[in-house]
Amino acid sequence: GAVVSQHPSRVICKSGTSVKIECRSLDFQATTMFWYRQFPKQSLMLMATSNEGSKATYEQGVEKDKFLINHASLTLSTLTVTSAHPEDSSFYICSARDTGGRPGLAYEQYFGPGTRLTVT
Amino acid sequence: AQTVTQSQPEMSVQEAETVTLSCTYDTSESDYYLFWYKQPPSRQMILVIRQEAYKQQNATENRFSVNFQKAAKSFSLKISDSQLGDAAMYFCAYRSAEGAQKLVFGQGTRLTINP
Repeated sequence: GAVVSQHPSRVICKSGTSVKIECRSLDFQATTMFWYRQFPKQSLMLMATSNEGSKATYEQGVEKDKFLINHASLTLSTLTVTSAHPEDSSFYICSARDTGGRPGLAYEQYFGPGTRLTVT
Repeated sequence: AQTVTQSQPEMSVQEAETVTLSCTYDTSESDYYLFWYKQPPSRQMILVIRQEAYKQQNATENRFSVNFQKAAKSFSLKISDSQLGDAAMYFCAYRSAEGAQKLVFGQGTRLTINP
């Protein structure tokens, strides 16, 4: 249990276009999901916290108009990189927080496999 | 704001030996959680071990154990009987027990296992 999927796993897009990345919790409900960015050989940097039914909370320095987040259901959050540029190329990881009542597992975060975005 | 520091960018160990990865953190909170995550070449983040700050007993998971020193704000990971499959990036992480419960990650330690 506690599986998080991301789609696509890899995407290549041209500069100036937009790309959408999906994060799904497959077997649990997640009112909160987190989006991270990871550059090569570096740690995960939190970009934003996605809350179901409300606006996302962005970390300082992250452009909310460039990285649009929508959390429309308890199992799906999407990150849209608008007008992508080569500097947006990175590995994007989502995690979902289990808000269920399973003993010992409540509020744990589970990570998706990541999406590698390349902007040409 | 909380910070997590991993001072060892790289570590290596002989297969079957024991290795300890270091982590220190800074917080003014009394209730929180600490984690060690493993990120293999696939880049999938895998939870290795979890420690609740209110528990004095160090967490253990098979070959993995921690040395949690709350007063010193230290949280090291010991891997016993190292295996080739343990080779990965290891991240120490902090999570508050309240509020948004965001994970704060350290810089990571790349662990190499020598056969």
